[in-house]
Amino acid sequence: SQTIHQWPATLVQPVGSPLSLECTVEGTSNPNLYWYRQAAGRGLQLLFYSVGIGQISSEVPQNLSASRPQDRQFILSSKKLLLSDSGFYLCAWSVPAGVNYNEQFFGPGTRLTVL
Amino acid sequence: GNSVTQMEGPVTLSEEAFLTINCTYTATGYPSLFWYVQYPGEGLQLLLKATKADDKGSNKGFEATYRKETTSFHLEKGSVQVSDSAVYFCALSVNTGNQFYFGTGTSLTVIP
Repeated sequence: SQTIHQWPATLVQPVGSPLSLECTVEGTSNPNLYWYRQAAGRGLQLLFYSVGIGQISSEVPQNLSASRPQDRQFILSSKKLLLSDSGFYLCAWSVPAGVNYNEQFFGPGTRLTVL
Repeated sequence: GNSVTQMEGPVTLSEEAFLTINCTYTATGYPSLFWYVQYPGEGLQLLLKATKADDKGSNKGFEATYRKETTSFHLEKGSVQVSDSAVYFCALSVNTGNQFYFGTGTSLTVIP
């Protein structure tokens, strides 16, 4: 069966510090991978998605970046965090487009607080 | 384009009350429709899904019917429990693209 891991679970970082959040998927090959952010009490904002190694699509201009160094690894980074980067970060995977339906499967999330 | 419009919350119900959360969509192509649930501090879990018109998805007493004529996928439950307190997201995907489209979420609180 497939599983998706995110770490760390919680993170408190000062403004201006770097960030690295990691997501890995097990039990599937060539998944689509997604990073979402959820501000407190708000909906989901798609940040990045990837359809393959080294292929990253950015949905929202910001000071965050994403990388996919391996097939089942997706990393969210920042060189200098802003207060507005605080939120709940969710990683998700799905099978590639073209299947009859492509539901997304979510990780447990990382709670980031920038002080 | 593709989008989901979801009933605004928050919703507060007494235990054993009937629940409806409205969801309508617009889509290019033929979408699949989903309801996700998010419990406090957790990621999203798939609650139910429907992949073609008139399909009814159901799980844990929740159900939703894919209505193409009204472009809707309303979530219902006949008798809610305190443990159903969560945020519910309606979503769609189209097989011509790689993205998911989520509604803004509806917070449900069930009081004893």
